[in-house]
Amino acid sequence: DQQVKQNSPSLSVQEGRISILNCDYTNSMFDYFLWYKKYPAEGPTFLISISSIKDKNEDGRFTVFLNKSAKHLSLHIVPSQPGDSAVYFCAAISGSNYQLIWGAGTKLIIKP
Amino acid sequence: DAEITQSPRHKITETGRQVTLACHQTWNHNNMFWYRQDLGHGLRLIHYSYGVHDTNKGEVSDGYSVSRSNTEDLPLTLESAASSQTSVYFCASSTDRGAYNEQFFGPGTRLTVL
Repeated sequence: DQQVKQNSPSLSVQEGRISILNCDYTNSMFDYFLWYKKYPAEGPTFLISISSIKDKNEDGRFTVFLNKSAKHLSLHIVPSQPGDSAVYFCAAISGSNYQLIWGAGTKLIIKP
Repeated sequence: DAEITQSPRHKITETGRQVTLACHQTWNHNNMFWYRQDLGHGLRLIHYSYGVHDTNKGEVSDGYSVSRSNTEDLPLTLESAASSQTSVYFCASSTDRGAYNEQFFGPGTRLTVL
């Protein structure tokens, strides 16, 4: 039973346009959410995070939105650049066990 | 520069053999983690450690063990390798207890069990 779901295995976006990656979760105890980015043959690297007390967090071209009532978060990348082509993982943690629960990832392809 | 390294990067072994994957970090982080990544599952936690001589089981710990004798290293041992343990293994470290702080990942070890 996957508690964190990324239902789109892949996404293709034109360079310069907005990329929107989605993530749904089922556990209402999650209180912190993170996005990691992964290139082939490398480990994941932290991108951006958001606490459950907020509904938006922005860092440069990256913005994460959290809709607690829908148990849904999204990562917006504007404008999309070729270097953004990677696999993006959504992850969540709860204060009860402090362990990261990961989604299966979405492969983002930025077309020139 | 501080870093986290894993060795070997690729390993092929046979069913039933004992295998040890190395993880070494120079961040001086107290916390270290082992994950496996399989298609369709994202990353799943195998074992983790919050300091020297501390080890804890994660979500998928069966068939794996770890030991922490110093701050820098957390080797992962597969006691008797099984084909179901074919996967990509990632080691990570972080400064503080839990996952609220950023975890820094190694490059991964691709393990194939024949």
